[in-house]
Amino acid sequence: DAKTTQPPSMDCAEGRAANLPCNHSTISGNEYVYWYRQIHSQGPQYIIHGLKNNETNEMASLIITEDRKSSTLILPHATLRDTAVYYCIVRGLRNNFGNEKLTFGTGTRLTIIP
Amino acid sequence: NAGVTQTPKFQVLKTGQSMTLQCAQDMNHEYMSWYRQDPGMGLRLIHYSVGAGITDQGEVPNGYNVSRSTTEDFPLRLLSAAPSQTSVYFCASSPTQVRGRAFFGQGTRLTVV
Repeated sequence: DAKTTQPPSMDCAEGRAANLPCNHSTISGNEYVYWYRQIHSQGPQYIIHGLKNNETNEMASLIITEDRKSSTLILPHATLRDTAVYYCIVRGLRNNFGNEKLTFGTGTRLTIIP
Repeated sequence: NAGVTQTPKFQVLKTGQSMTLQCAQDMNHEYMSWYRQDPGMGLRLIHYSVGAGITDQGEVPNGYNVSRSTTEDFPLRLLSAAPSQTSVYFCASSPTQVRGRAFFGQGTRLTVV
């Protein structure tokens, strides 16, 4: 799986859009970008994933650059409950023979400021 | 729809004791896995299963056993607990078609003294 690089921490004002960047310059053509978050002491929570087109769901939007070497997760109206560690993960969609794990790394600690 | 259920939520063991962490999912997912999370180290894969009767090792399997007799259940057994196994354990399941779309349980916080 391609390695990802994320800033260790970010702050965002409540009600504003939180934009979390992720670099994945070694991503291969069949690898997807996944985003998860982990709120303190809870299990990781899936947010969104995409291949090359921008994606949006009820939680967030995912913007992937045309060359697919980086992406941005956007939380459009951040609330205090969005304070968490956010993980950007790259892996294939289906069978990933010999490498079944999701590599979480250290993520970005996002703090929403009241 | 309960999703992924882990029991117990908290456990204290003495060194050398054995125990089983339970994990059950009700989404008919073929793929299940166990991770441990330690401070500053992220989540590390212990064991995984791609279906009933099929299991394989992850990156940190030593000291742990698994079995998968049904699609729903994937228990993790600690054979002889050691202080190094003090950690938070997460179970996850994924649909076969989208392996990266994992549903995690709420975790079991294990302390070995």
